Amino acid sequence: AQKITQTQPGMFVQEKEAVTLDCTYDTSDPSYGLFWYKQPSSGEMIFLIYQGSYDQQNATEGRYSLNFQKARKSANLVISASQLGDSAMYFCAMRRDSSYKLIFGSGTRLLVRP
Amino acid sequence: NAGVMQNPRHLVRRRGQEARLRCSPVKGHSHVYWYRQLPEEGLKFMVYLQKENIIDESGMPKERFSAEFPKEGPSILRIQQVVRGDSAAYFCASSPLQSASGPQASEAFFGQGTRLTVV
Repeated sequence: AQKITQTQPGMFVQEKEAVTLDCTYDTSDPSYGLFWYKQPSSGEMIFLIYQGSYDQQNATEGRYSLNFQKARKSANLVISASQLGDSAMYFCAMRRDSSYKLIFGSGTRLLVRP
Repeated sequence: NAGVMQNPRHLVRRRGQEARLRCSPVKGHSHVYWYRQLPEEGLKFMVYLQKENIIDESGMPKERFSAEFPKEGPSILRIQQVVRGDSAAYFCASSPLQSASGPQASEAFFGQGTRLTVV
């Protein structure tokens, strides 16, 4: 069975600093994708970044980067130069390439301090 | 997001009433997915529909819940005789194709969700 684990229920970071949100996953499938979503207090789910299991390089999207360590089955999200608007819930998710279902972790609430 | 529209954004129902949640997929998308988010939890898959067909409803409760995606019009998630435990955010996502590699293939983009409160 597939599983996503986010062990940090909540985190604080000082504005302009970098922060790492942890995500580990469990799957026996060789081909899968990993996603990060942001959910601000308004409630919508905002897609941030994607990493394929066969991608050789870590994904980056602006201030977001994904630290993908396949052997350790981890896909941590790194946010550089944190901004107050980054305060939100962050969800890690996984999908096998043979499936259409996204499996979500329980989320990490990030609070950026001024 | 990629233009998935859900309405209403907020819905309040008394116990025993029916709730109807609508999802208009991105134009041209023929695949719709519904997820439920209970308070303080991640999203959980409920059902996957194509036009006029239910492909996978393994995540949907067997009783009181139903979903449809007609040839014309939005996808509807219907909850009959709602109970307090149905209070949650319900998200819809759409795709033009069934899952393929990459974020653009399916359910990478969600609607804004419908927050159902049962009082």
